[in-house]
Amino acid sequence: KAGVTQTPRYLIKTRGQQVTLSCSPISGHRSVSWYQQTPGQGLQFLFEYFSETQRNKGNFPGRFSGRQFSNSRSEMNVSTLELGDSALYLCASSLAVSGETQYFGPGTRLLVL
Amino acid sequence: DQQVKQNSPSLSVQEGRISILNCDYTNSMFDYFLWYKKYPAEGPTFLISISSIKDKNEDGRFTVFLNKSAKHLSLHIVPSQPGDSAVYFCAASAWQGGKLIFGQGTELSVKP
Repeated sequence: KAGVTQTPRYLIKTRGQQVTLSCSPISGHRSVSWYQQTPGQGLQFLFEYFSETQRNKGNFPGRFSGRQFSNSRSEMNVSTLELGDSALYLCASSLAVSGETQYFGPGTRLLVL
Repeated sequence: DQQVKQNSPSLSVQEGRISILNCDYTNSMFDYFLWYKKYPAEGPTFLISISSIKDKNEDGRFTVFLNKSAKHLSLHIVPSQPGDSAVYFCAASAWQGGKLIFGQGTELSVKP
């Protein structure tokens, strides 16, 4: 089975722009979660989507949003980028059953200048 | 409020010896715990997990122990190999499963 894929792998943007990141989960997985990793804050949960609905949300401002399509692929969007949004953005997928393991993609490295 | 804590930022072990990585949690609603291994600029790689109904789970060289009364879990790697050198994260989730809370990570260095 193919793993979780994320595109693009690297991205450079300037302050004020917006960005869209994409995630394709493992085949058969219906839950997609997004995380942000920064040196200062570690790995932090952004949100989770299941059956095209946001099921869980972390403590991030409304500039961070996401969606999930009927084929379980997910996108996350960050509007009005700030320097502090520079981070590794990770997507993880799971079967969405309680106690199921999440498997991570390689991440998208975003640099905001 | 850090619900999952890894108090040792780094650990150095000799090849062939045991590596013990520790993790503490505060939320008694957590019922599923995982350990991930991570290299810089890559996604975490799943290692091993344990449900709260168990106190031990083994997979090859990796064993995870869970002490619910102490809200403590540990990962044992025996024997340690240089290829095990990486940052190790413990993570926890409540019954909904979709939200993992991560510790800050422990950087393991296994010296030949």
